[in-house]
Amino acid sequence: AQKVTQAQTEISVVEKEDVTLDCVYETRDTTYYLFWYKQPPSGELVFLIRRNSFDEQNEISGRYSWNFQKSTSSFNFTITASQVVDSAVYFCALSVEGYSTLTFGKGTMLLVSP
Amino acid sequence: DTGVSQDPRHKITKRGQNVTFRCDPISEHNRLYWYRQTLGQGPEFLTYFQNEAQLEKSRLLSDRFSAERPKGSFSTLEIQRTEQGDSAMYLCASRPTGAPGELFFGEGSRLTVL
Repeated sequence: AQKVTQAQTEISVVEKEDVTLDCVYETRDTTYYLFWYKQPPSGELVFLIRRNSFDEQNEISGRYSWNFQKSTSSFNFTITASQVVDSAVYFCALSVEGYSTLTFGKGTMLLVSP
Repeated sequence: DTGVSQDPRHKITKRGQNVTFRCDPISEHNRLYWYRQTLGQGPEFLTYFQNEAQLEKSRLLSDRFSAERPKGSFSTLEIQRTEQGDSAMYLCASRPTGAPGELFFGEGSRLTVL
C-alpha cells in the first residue's frame, strides 16, 4: 500500500518569505512517480510537477523548486519569495508503476499575507 | 472553455434519494478519473476509465455507487440511496496517454445530503 504524509496542516507566511512544504511517502515499489498539485480557493486542482523514482535531480521552475531525496523518502517543495497568489492548499501525491491512480496526502494550506 | 467540466456544481438532496453527476473531459483525453474529497482531506480515488472501459474501482466504492462512460467521452457517476456520509466534493479528472499522473481536474460537484 502507498501512503503520503504531509505533516504541516497550515503554514502562514508574509509575502516575500521563502517557504518549504514537506512531503514524506511510503511505498514498497521501486518504480513510482511523485507529484505536487495546487488547489487554489476556486477549488480546481492544478498539476505542478511529476518526478519519477529514478530521477533524483532537483528541479527549479521560476520561484518553485523541488527536492527529491530517496534516502529519506521525501519530496519537498519550496516557494521562494512567496506571493499572495501562492495562497492555496498544496497536495503531494504518489503513483506506482502499472497503476494509474494517485494517492494524495492530506494537503498543506499555505496562507501568504501582504 | 476546453477544460474538464462537471455538472451540477452543487447538489443538495435528502437522504435516500439518488443523484447523478456528469463529467465532460478534455476531448482528446482517453483516461477519465473520479475522486472524492472531503473537508480537510486530499482527494480519494474512486474509479478510472480508459476510453469506455472501467479499469479500476476503489474498495471505497460501495454498491450504491456506479459510474459509466458509455461512448468513451463523457462520464456519469450515480449514487443511489444517498447517505449523509456521501456528502463531499466529487472531482472528475482526465489525462491523455503518455502523461502518467498529470491530471486535469474539473471544478467538482459538491454534494450535500440532508
